Amino acid sequence: KQEVTQIPAALSVPEGENLVLNCSFTDSAIYNLQWFRQDPGKGLTSLLLIQSSQREQTSGRLNASLDKSSGRSTLYIAASQPGDSATYLCAANNNAGNMLTFGGGTRLMVKP
Amino acid sequence: GAVVSQHPSRVICKSGTSVKIECRSLDFQATTMFWYRQFPKKSLMLMATSNEGSKATYEQGVEKDKFLINHASLTLSTLTVTSAHPEDSSFYICSAREGHNEQFFGPGTRLTVL
Repeated sequence: KQEVTQIPAALSVPEGENLVLNCSFTDSAIYNLQWFRQDPGKGLTSLLLIQSSQREQTSGRLNASLDKSSGRSTLYIAASQPGDSATYLCAANNNAGNMLTFGGGTRLMVKP
Repeated sequence: GAVVSQHPSRVICKSGTSVKIECRSLDFQATTMFWYRQFPKKSLMLMATSNEGSKATYEQGVEKDKFLINHASLTLSTLTVTSAHPEDSSFYICSAREGHNEQFFGPGTRLTVL
């Protein structure tokens, strides 16, 4: 059974810093891996989706990498802004049934 | 991206009553819908998967008679929490996908049972 872990659970940084969020998964036979953003009391917004054949995806200040062999993915946020404050969730999509297994999330606070 | 809506966004009910939550795909045909539950400061836990016109498949530990799921059309799935109790208070999120495409998530429903 797939297990997804995110470290750290919470992170507080000053505005302007570059930061890395980590996601690890136990079953490397994934179809794709997805990063989401969740604001308090809200649903999920998809940020980046990396197919198993890809090594990374970029969108604006966000860059996500995927290393299947080591069971790791990272989300890099450049020049962080207070508006980036949210919980970031990664989810692994395994081949069987296209089910998403979520990590526990990283609560990010960017201080002005 | 595709849009998924949920209604209501918030609901407060008395213990023992039933509550229905709707999940709609607005601009695509949702052949599969998923229902998740999220406790405060915790991640999403999959409750069940429903395919249009079929019975839902529940995850281990989720009571199917407690959480009734209906997916009668390609744009609507409903989750009914029957005889709700305070421990059912949670944030419920649905997602939908067409075929094997990406899942799109609804905005969630906050259920508070008094």
